[in-house]
Amino acid sequence: GQSLEQPSEVTAVEGAIVQINCTYQTSGFYGLSWYQQHDGGAPTFLSYNALDGLEETGRFSSFLSRSDSYGYLLLQELQMKDSASYFCAVQGTGGGNKLTFGTGTQLKVEL
Amino acid sequence: DSGVTQTPKHLITATGQRVTLRCSPRSGDLSVYWYQQSLDQGLQFLIQYYNGEERAKGNILERFSAQQFPDLHSELNLSSLELGDSALYFCASSVAGTAGVRGYTFGSGTRLTVV
Repeated sequence: GQSLEQPSEVTAVEGAIVQINCTYQTSGFYGLSWYQQHDGGAPTFLSYNALDGLEETGRFSSFLSRSDSYGYLLLQELQMKDSASYFCAVQGTGGGNKLTFGTGTQLKVEL
Repeated sequence: DSGVTQTPKHLITATGQRVTLRCSPRSGDLSVYWYQQSLDQGLQFLIQYYNGEERAKGNILERFSAQQFPDLHSELNLSSLELGDSALYFCASSVAGTAGVRGYTFGSGTRLTVV
């Protein structure tokens, strides 16, 4: 099975850079994904790392280190609208395409 | 509009009752996934269907069942409802094999309240 741990809450100021970490235990996976969810809303896909290293998509970057069982999401130039919950997720190799999601991190962006 | 349609958006029902949640996947997507999200909790995988066949099962209670029809829409049936079943239920879809690279597309969810 898989388990993914994230900090429950992170607070940062507008315009700053924030990093949300994800540590995982898994028997095997294809890659690490990140999703954003505003209160009561649908999760939306942000990024995916199949290989170790950094992937950049606009203000968001995501990093994966398989040897350290660790990944992170980096958000730059924070805006108030970035206040949301962020989930990491892995797609296991055990059949199907199901994603196992992490515990989620609530990001609060302050003025 | 994500392209994944879930109905109803809200549902209030009494304990012991049975409800059906419906999901239409995004056009072209063959896989449908159901997730449960309780208050302040993460997304718990329930079940996956691919082109009408059950592909993977998670921590789905025996009181819950699902199916995917030939037109690819899916229904999640919840029976003998308990207060603890109150949650947001999300449906997501993906083209087979791209759950990672392109991600899931989630519907807006059904908020179930059991009273």
